[in-house]
Amino acid sequence: AQSVTQPDARVTVSEGASLQLRCKYSYSATPYLFWYVQYPRQGLQLLLKYYSGDPVVQGVNSFEAEFSKSNSSFHLQKASVHWSDSAVYFCALSMTMGYKLTFGTGTSLLVDP
Amino acid sequence: DTTVKQNPRYKLARVGKPVNLICSQTMNHDTMYWYQKKPNQAPKLLLFYYDKILNREADTFEKFQSSRPNNSFCSLYIGSAGLEYSAMYLCASSLRDWGNYAEQFFGPGTRLTVL
Repeated sequence: AQSVTQPDARVTVSEGASLQLRCKYSYSATPYLFWYVQYPRQGLQLLLKYYSGDPVVQGVNSFEAEFSKSNSSFHLQKASVHWSDSAVYFCALSMTMGYKLTFGTGTSLLVDP
Repeated sequence: DTTVKQNPRYKLARVGKPVNLICSQTMNHDTMYWYQKKPNQAPKLLLFYYDKILNREADTFEKFQSSRPNNSFCSLYIGSAGLEYSAMYLCASSLRDWGNYAEQFFGPGTRLTVL
């Protein structure tokens, strides 16, 4: 069975600092990988997605993620965070295109202004 | 419009009573999903409709029902609510386009509290 692990439940960084949110997955093949963000009182919004090609994918709002098959990881990164990036971030995988998502437990990001 | 709407946003229910949650989308998506999210847990898929075909997860098969009267609407039905049903319920929709990744669009959720 597939699974997603986000080891950090909460992360606090200062505004302007760099950010990495960790995501590890378990799946026998290469899955479709996603990062979603949930702002307060809003639905989950897609930040970026990966299946094949360049292991570094660019997303919205200057976020990027790097896929590593050897490490079974898909870490989310941002060079300089803004206070408005404070939200909950979910990593997810899908076995096939257009199929159900398996989520991690999420990482709550707090950016100190 | 890429909005998925959910009604109500907050729902209070009594133990043993039925609960019906509603989701709608106007993107003409062929697939609609229901996830359950409890505090400090990952969103968990309960079931999904592909067109008119309902697929329910094995471990929640008997706990939840759903209907999709038309392409735009999908409901989640709990026949007899128990305390363990208290959670956030997320609805999502997507279009199965084989030439592209099928992004799921999520609604804001319905917070169900069972007392």
